[in-house]
Amino acid sequence: AQSVSQHNHHVILSEAASLELGCNYSYGGTVNLFWYVQYPGQHLQLLLKYFSGDPLVKGIKGFEAEFIKSKFSFNLRKPSVQWSDTAEYFCAVNGAPGGYNKLIFGAGTRLAVHP
Amino acid sequence: NAGVTQTPKFQVLKTGQSMTLQCAQDMNHEYMSWYRQDPGMGLRLIHYSVGAGITDQGEVPNGYNVSRSTTEDFPLRLLSAAPSQTSVYFCASKGTSGLYTQYFGPGTRLTVL
Repeated sequence: AQSVSQHNHHVILSEAASLELGCNYSYGGTVNLFWYVQYPGQHLQLLLKYFSGDPLVKGIKGFEAEFIKSKFSFNLRKPSVQWSDTAEYFCAVNGAPGGYNKLIFGAGTRLAVHP
Repeated sequence: NAGVTQTPKFQVLKTGQSMTLQCAQDMNHEYMSWYRQDPGMGLRLIHYSVGAGITDQGEVPNGYNVSRSTTEDFPLRLLSAAPSQTSVYFCASKGTSGLYTQYFGPGTRLTVL
């Protein structure tokens, strides 16, 4: 079965620092990849998604992610974080082998940005 | 559009009690799903539906029932609540194509004593 690993459970950064959050999935084949963000007390919002084409995708609020098929990875990046980026970030995948109706999430990475 | 709505926002149950978590969407989405969110485990799929009258199990279906009588509504039933079901529950919906993004509701925080 598909699984998603997010290597960093907690990340603490100062404002203006660069961010990279790791995400790896276990099963190859055709997949769609997503990053969702959950701000404190709020529901999940889509940051960005990869379906096909350019492996470098840009999302909202200056976030981007790179799909590296050979590494089964979809890491999230932001060159300069802000205090307002404090949130929990979830990587998710659907497609092979469970199908497009089953979105599988990683455990999440909790990011704290200090001013 | 209201998007995906969930009621109640908070609920406390005693072990053995039953209840229904409500979910509705006004985007005419065929696909709806229920997830539970637990610390350190991300979101796990409980049940999903690809249209009225069609439901299927996700990763963690035990202890939960669903039905889909209309496109708009997808209630989640706990028949006999257990402390292990203490969690935050999210409902989501999307169009039927795998390419479409899931839209999440605001969540229901459930505590089972």
